[in-house]
Amino acid sequence: ETGVTQTPRHLVMGMTNKKSLKCEQHLGHNAMYWYKQSAKKPLELMFVYNFKEQTENNSVPSRFSPECPNSSHLFLHLHTLQPEDSALYLCASRSGTSGSTDTQYFGPGTRLTVL
Amino acid sequence: KQEVTQIPAALSVPEGENLVLNCSFTDSAIYNLQWFRQDPGKGLTSLLLIQSSQREQTSGRLNASLDKSSGRSTLYIAASQPGDSATYLCAPQGPAFRYNFNKFYFGSGTKLNVKP
Repeated sequence: ETGVTQTPRHLVMGMTNKKSLKCEQHLGHNAMYWYKQSAKKPLELMFVYNFKEQTENNSVPSRFSPECPNSSHLFLHLHTLQPEDSALYLCASRSGTSGSTDTQYFGPGTRLTVL
Repeated sequence: KQEVTQIPAALSVPEGENLVLNCSFTDSAIYNLQWFRQDPGKGLTSLLLIQSSQREQTSGRLNASLDKSSGRSTLYIAASQPGDSATYLCAPQGPAFRYNFNKFYFGSGTKLNVKP
């Protein structure tokens, strides 16, 4: 158990559906991340939040909409996705302090399949 | 943008061998560099973190070195075991301005298979 949980663990959705991924961390961290991991591609950073402020949007299509209501929770709202969006979506957290040497802690991921 | 390359992409060895996994990155202005392990279909687990001022870190059978100026890091695994089978990912952190201290860039990883 890493202290970062993600729900659901598996999700199958059609292209017209709307769904949300949830991430929760119990580590007292202030930085939270969404990553996308597609088959045979490097882990892609999608969004970074630091103290609830979005500090990074890595040119992610608007069909992915993040939300960070507090430092412990991070959501990824999904709508009108494409089959190529099928991937493992990973959430991570970190202390968020400048110059900190602590690691990122990852959740187990949500395996998303878009039909 | 930081580009990270890991060589080899895949490695299959018999149990007991000593291994070297390589990582190179294009921007040397990094805060730290981390090595992670990922088991199939799961999240990442941190193995070692090397600060930019350090040259190496050790944890058990693992030793990671960092040559920041040349943009290289290596992960050395001693006396490999079947339980070491996983994908190993290298992730430089930074570069060091604004909020980039919170950004990690990942390579594609080295998929390791240790045969009994």
